Amino acid sequence: ETGVTQTPRHLVMGMTNKKSLKCEQHLGHNAMYWYKQSAKKPLELMFVYNFKEQTENNSVPSRFSPECPNSSHLFLHLHTLQPEDSALYLCASSQERMSDTQYFGPGTRLTVL
Amino acid sequence: AQTVTQSQPEMSVQEAETVTLSCTYDTSESDYYLFWYKQPPSRQMILVIRQEAYKQQNATENRFSVNFQKAAKSFSLKISDSQLGDAAMYFCAYRRGSGNTPLVFGKGTRLSVIA
Repeated sequence: ETGVTQTPRHLVMGMTNKKSLKCEQHLGHNAMYWYKQSAKKPLELMFVYNFKEQTENNSVPSRFSPECPNSSHLFLHLHTLQPEDSALYLCASSQERMSDTQYFGPGTRLTVL
Repeated sequence: AQTVTQSQPEMSVQEAETVTLSCTYDTSESDYYLFWYKQPPSRQMILVIRQEAYKQQNATENRFSVNFQKAAKSFSLKISDSQLGDAAMYFCAYRRGSGNTPLVFGKGTRLSVIA
């Protein structure tokens, strides 16, 4: 048990659908992250939140919309996605922003048809 | 920009044997951290070991140890007495020590453990 949970674990959606990914951390951390892991590509940082405030947006398209209502929860709202957005989306948390020790959740495997 | 290179897409090792995974990185910084993460089939990323660049002593965590060659910008992971549970993707990662900077990951090495 890592203390970081993600739901759903698998998601299949059409390009016109709207869905949300949820991440919850039970570690008392202050920073949370969204990463994208595509096949045969390095892990890519998408967003960083520190004390509920977004501090990083790595040029992510607006069809991905993050939300952090509190330090324990992080959402990624998805709309009008493209097939190339199919990937594993990993959530992570750490005690401090950009801390070297990040704890990852199990990920959501997203398939866009 | 910093880059991390893992030149071995796949590796295999016999159970109880030792295997070394390679990682090189490119940076002009002198203060930084290096990491190895393990991603088993469950997809969860698990921190295996961490090395501070200013420390000359190689980090060790039980059966996992690193060979950190700062001048060569090399950071290999050695797994001793390999176990079936070690089978996973292994990612090498770098983070600049100063400022709030993100982890930069390599593309990973898939390790298979043969019984």
